[in-house]
Amino acid sequence: EDQVTQSPEALRLQEGESSSLNCSYTVSGLRGLFWYRQDPGKGPEFLFTLYSAGEEKEKERLKATLTKKESFLHITAPKPEDSATYLCAVRGNTDKLIFGTGTRLQVFP
Amino acid sequence: NAGVTQTPKFRILKIGQSMTLQCTQDMNHNYMYWYRQDPGMGLKLIYYSVGAGITDKGEVPNGYNVSRSTTEDFPLRLELAAPSQTSVYFCASRLAGNDQPQHFGDGTRLSIL
Repeated sequence: EDQVTQSPEALRLQEGESSSLNCSYTVSGLRGLFWYRQDPGKGPEFLFTLYSAGEEKEKERLKATLTKKESFLHITAPKPEDSATYLCAVRGNTDKLIFGTGTRLQVFP
Repeated sequence: NAGVTQTPKFRILKIGQSMTLQCTQDMNHNYMYWYRQDPGMGLKLIYYSVGAGITDKGEVPNGYNVSRSTTEDFPLRLELAAPSQTSVYFCASRLAGNDQPQHFGDGTRLSIL
């Protein structure tokens, strides 16, 4: 059964304090791993797609990496506006997205 | 482009009432999806469609129905509302292709009392 587990559930960082969010997955035939950002009262906003182990993608202070069993979302020198819930999802042979429960990130000044 | 638009944004229903959640997209996407999001749970797929006239069940379809008469619209119908259907509902769409991400609307917050 395809499964996604995200950790930690919640993370509090001081502005400028770098950290990483983890997404562990099991899937039959990975067709893509997706990272989304979700702000309160809003729908998920697409950030990155990763396809194969060793791949990396960057956008501003965010960098996503992928291995055969997990993905990391690295946040470098975060700012308060980076506060949000970050969701990870995988697409396998069923062609459906399986979502994790998310990591709620708070960055305080 | 407006992207994916959902209406209404909020709704309160009484047990046993019916309603339709509207979803429309202006990106000419063939694939469309309905999810529900409950506190502490991941997004759960209710129904999806790969094109006009084609729909299929997801993980949690009981109590819901869908139709897809046009590429743009994918309404979700609740026939007999139950308290267990209190949730936030998201509609999403994407282009065909494994590399294509889903794009989400801002959700409908539904309470059944």
